[in-house]
Amino acid sequence: DIQMTQFPSTLSASVGDRVTITCRASQSISSWLAWYQQRVGKAPKLLINKASRLESGVPSRFSGSGSGTEFTLTISSLQPDDFATYYCQQYDDYPRTFGQGTKVEIK
Amino acid sequence: QIQLVQSGAEVREPGASVKVSCKAYGFDFASFGMSWVRQAPGQGLEWMGWISGYNDKIKYGQKFQGRLTMTTDTSTGTAYMELRSLRSDDTAIYYCARDRELYCDYWGQGTLVTVSS
Repeated sequence: DIQMTQFPSTLSASVGDRVTITCRASQSISSWLAWYQQRVGKAPKLLINKASRLESGVPSRFSGSGSGTEFTLTISSLQPDDFATYYCQQYDDYPRTFGQGTKVEIK
Repeated sequence: QIQLVQSGAEVREPGASVKVSCKAYGFDFASFGMSWVRQAPGQGLEWMGWISGYNDKIKYGQKFQGRLTMTTDTSTGTAYMELRSLRSDDTAIYYCARDRELYCDYWGQGTLVTVSS
């Protein structure tokens, strides 16, 4: 199975901060990576597919980059709505695997 | 409007089975697959398996092999997930998510399954 490692596991930041979350795959997954946002008590929401493609309706302050084994999700200016947990997921191979999540908290 | 609407919360005793439904609205059900993902209390997301809309291709997570059955009914646009021989550590929220063998772009609201004696 492809292991996905996210870091940090928790991140404390303030509104307006630039935030970066890293996701590392145990083997190359090309660009077959998605990022999801999950607010408390809600289902996950797709933000980015194919490592850097922003889903329709997702604010442009979100961006994704990377390929191979190293990927990042960046929020350019953190907004109150962005305090949530973020997950990466590889879809290069089965079983699909998720990172363990990064919780973005208010500082 | 694309929506996945799941069945309501369930409580089961250890050793029992549970079947969760996921009804699709607003898209051609047969043209998309469905993934099932679960989330134990306070934990991360765990992929369980994927099934094509036509029920002709299925991928199971190895952890669930033998206990998990996924099916679809194209006449009603509904996907089903049945988990057998339930244990306390199967207590989780179970999500269906539309998945064309890539990423999950739309998710159901989740179904809480509680396993307790």
